[in-house]
Amino acid sequence: DTAVSQTPKYLVTQMGNDKSIKCEQNLGHDTMYWYKQDSKKFLKIMFSYNNKELIINETVPNRFSPKSPDKAHLNLHINSLELGDSAVYFCASSQEVDRRQETQYFGPGTRLLVL
Amino acid sequence: SQQGEEDPQALSIQEGENATMNCSYKTSINNLQWYRQNSGRGLVHLILIRSNEREKHSGRLRVTLDTSKKSSSLLITASRAADTASYFCATESGNTPLVFGKGTRLSVIA
Repeated sequence: DTAVSQTPKYLVTQMGNDKSIKCEQNLGHDTMYWYKQDSKKFLKIMFSYNNKELIINETVPNRFSPKSPDKAHLNLHINSLELGDSAVYFCASSQEVDRRQETQYFGPGTRLLVL
Repeated sequence: SQQGEEDPQALSIQEGENATMNCSYKTSINNLQWYRQNSGRGLVHLILIRSNEREKHSGRLRVTLDTSKKSSSLLITASRAADTASYFCATESGNTPLVFGKGTRLSVIA
């Protein structure tokens, strides 16, 4: 009965490879997010999806592309991985109420290490 | 841009003591939320306080909000070793995702 799940939990890969991280939520929320948390624990939002539309796209490299096949899924595809992409990536979801985002529910994170 | 800034960056206390963490922000908000992150885990929502509220309680947690000073505090009473974690504040300002601070790392020593 996991609310927000991510796979894989760990991802070790070589520079230049392409990889995907999957996220699923069973909460019926209409908004999903991807965050990147660096080694200093700073949490930076990367993407936000509402009803399958990208509504916020922070200044992340276009090597990162979110893909949402349906309301319950938001996958993150990364092309040409670089050393600086090493971080923990978190998926989250929330419900919009009166155009405001309420509590966010986070997945367990995907630890990406680029060698 | 960074909205919430937690203070202190790190806090170490003895079990049973109270822990207070502060958060300052820059723009007007609709609500402010506190999250906890245990090592190697995702963030877990603790409490949400709306801009028209001044204080809120949840178990051993007490959150205050002062919109005139653009600040909030999280008080954990009678701390336990299990409270050891990083604590983040996040602000909601409408039409934008939550903006998280850099967090306070709390260590509770048994």
